[in-house]
Amino acid sequence: AQRVTQPEKLLSVFKGAPVELKCNYSYSGSPELFWYVQYSRQRLQLLLRHISRESIKGFTADLNKGETSFHLKKPFAQEEDSAMYYCALLPMDSNYQLIWGAGTKLIIKP
Amino acid sequence: KAGVTQTPRYLIKTRGQQVTLSCSPISGHRSVSWYQQTPGQGLQFLFEYFSETQRNKGNFPGRFSGRQFSNSRSEMNVSTLELGDSALYLCASSLGGGLRDEQYFGPGTRLTVT
Repeated sequence: AQRVTQPEKLLSVFKGAPVELKCNYSYSGSPELFWYVQYSRQRLQLLLRHISRESIKGFTADLNKGETSFHLKKPFAQEEDSAMYYCALLPMDSNYQLIWGAGTKLIIKP
Repeated sequence: KAGVTQTPRYLIKTRGQQVTLSCSPISGHRSVSWYQQTPGQGLQFLFEYFSETQRNKGNFPGRFSGRQFSNSRSEMNVSTLELGDSALYLCASSLGGGLRDEQYFGPGTRLTVT
């Protein structure tokens, strides 16, 4: 079965430190992967997707098909990065639905 | 551009009743998706509508249904409510590409079943 695993429910790092939010998926085909973010009192919104291969707000994510991972990284965390982060998988086959990880709450300490 | 709106924002129902939730997408968006969010199961995809047709469906029982109108507004209905249906129901709209496109989420409807 297709699944997305975000192993950390909570990740706390100091401002200026590197951040890595882990996302592992189980899917045998070619997936599309996304990171969505929800800041406090705001709506869930797209942060980035692997097909665009761009950096948003200093975050990058590389799809590693060998390790079936799509980790989100930022070299220097900022306080405004504190939010809930969700990884989502779109299997490109008959089971066409967005499958979500449980989310990781990122707290950036001053 | 106005964002996705959902009504009502909060709802309390009794077990066995039915409920209808409404979602108005961003103007020009033709795809509307629905999600259920609970502390235990997280975010789960319910279904997606495009041009008044259900295009994709998640793994939910038939008690969960939806529809989309010609103006792209969508409604979701849950019949014979169960306690486990208590959740935040989110809708999202996107351009014609559906789930591959960026999903723009509404604020959600908080449903409590007692």
